[in-house]
Amino acid sequence: QVQLVQSGAEMKKPGASVKVSCKTSGYNFPGYDIHWVRQAPGQGLEWMGWIDPQTGGTNYAQKFQGRVNMTRDTSISTAYLYLSGLRFDDTAVYYCARDIPITTTFDYWGQGTLVTVSS
Amino acid sequence: DIQMTQSPSSLSASVGDRVTITCRASQSISSYLNWYQQKPGQAPQLQIYAASTLQSGVPPRFSGSGSGTDFNLTISSLRHEDFATYYCQQSYAFPITFGPGTTVDIE
Repeated sequence: QVQLVQSGAEMKKPGASVKVSCKTSGYNFPGYDIHWVRQAPGQGLEWMGWIDPQTGGTNYAQKFQGRVNMTRDTSISTAYLYLSGLRFDDTAVYYCARDIPITTTFDYWGQGTLVTVSS
Repeated sequence: DIQMTQSPSSLSASVGDRVTITCRASQSISSYLNWYQQKPGQAPQLQIYAASTLQSGVPPRFSGSGSGTDFNLTISSLRHEDFATYYCQQSYAFPITFGPGTTVDIE
């Protein structure tokens, strides 16, 4: 069965960087884009960008340009989110999600990774 | 960017009620509209895609309708497990945007 399993919670200081992993299984990893979506406490969903695991191509939301980097390791079917220059308002649960090809529709999600930015 | 709005922001209902949630896009998005259900402490789950197609495994009491700028998610007969927050999402253009959510709670 399709699974996306994310790395554990992180606590970071302002200005630091964080790396979140999303290990996938149960499907052909290169065949489905991976998107990252975050949710601040008590708030709605915010799209951050996506990566094409086949080519490594990416597309980031303008809000995160310059601070975000999405990569993948096809040998272990894992996608990564890097976010630098962390601010207090980056405190959120970060989700990876699989995209049904050509539809930008998220049919499977990771369990989420809480990133807390605190001094 | 395409702005998504939802109404109401919250509603109280009883088991067995028919519930309709509305989502509106700031420009036409054809039928590129998805609905997700999220329960506390859980990741969102896809319910409806392409405005009206039921995701596999989702019970048929859920239905979606609309095109262009106005969309509805309807639950024909509310069950306990349906109390959750519902988000719409446009997949017409980048950046992908979500509605602010509608919370359905027990009356």
